[in-house]
Amino acid sequence: EAQVTQNPRYLITVTGKKLTVTCSQNMNHEYMSWYRQDPGLGLRQIYYSMNVEVTDKGDVPEGYKVSRKEKRNFPLILESPSPNQTSLYFCASTENTGELFFGEGSRLTVL
Amino acid sequence: GENVEQHPSTLSVQEGDSAVIKCTYSDSASNYFPWYKQELGKRPQLIIDIRSNVGEKKDQRIAVTLNKTAKHFSLHITETQPEDSAVYFCAASDSGGYQKVTFGTGTKLQVIP
Repeated sequence: EAQVTQNPRYLITVTGKKLTVTCSQNMNHEYMSWYRQDPGLGLRQIYYSMNVEVTDKGDVPEGYKVSRKEKRNFPLILESPSPNQTSLYFCASTENTGELFFGEGSRLTVL
Repeated sequence: GENVEQHPSTLSVQEGDSAVIKCTYSDSASNYFPWYKQELGKRPQLIIDIRSNVGEKKDQRIAVTLNKTAKHFSLHITETQPEDSAVYFCAASDSGGYQKVTFGTGTKLQVIP
């Protein structure tokens, strides 16, 4: 089954404690991206990747890091999480049609 | 960078009526305009998209129109049904959807039976 898998789905952490949200896709898509969803603000792009070792900033990259060492994986790293990073995070992959295939989302709470 | 504005933020319609959601964009280089539907607690899913070389596209009860001159595009849902109730997001991209993608803030559609 074609899918984008994110982990963890839910996480409560404390300010400053490094965390990683993993994302993996099995569709052999070249393009992957991360979004955060906040009430009233819609979906905002954090980072995107066009291929292995090629990443670029989206609209809200501050406080986040990404890496793309393998085509199927695109983890999102919060080196020092802060409360304003409490959000619902979605990973997505796409092929050349442009359609974004989203993961199920990861709800993060930073205390 | 691109800025996408979406209106209205909430919309209630009676079952069987039509619903229209409008978006405007700022970057004339944008060439791909998808619409996503997000049901409560679920992930967004593409329902229809349009590229800048097309003015209108239809898929059964949903249609999208694009006015490049005015930089706006709209989603039209006819004969609404309760299962159309969801949050709808428009988006714009200057790279066909592969790189930078900017979303609108969403419209919560409620279809009243």
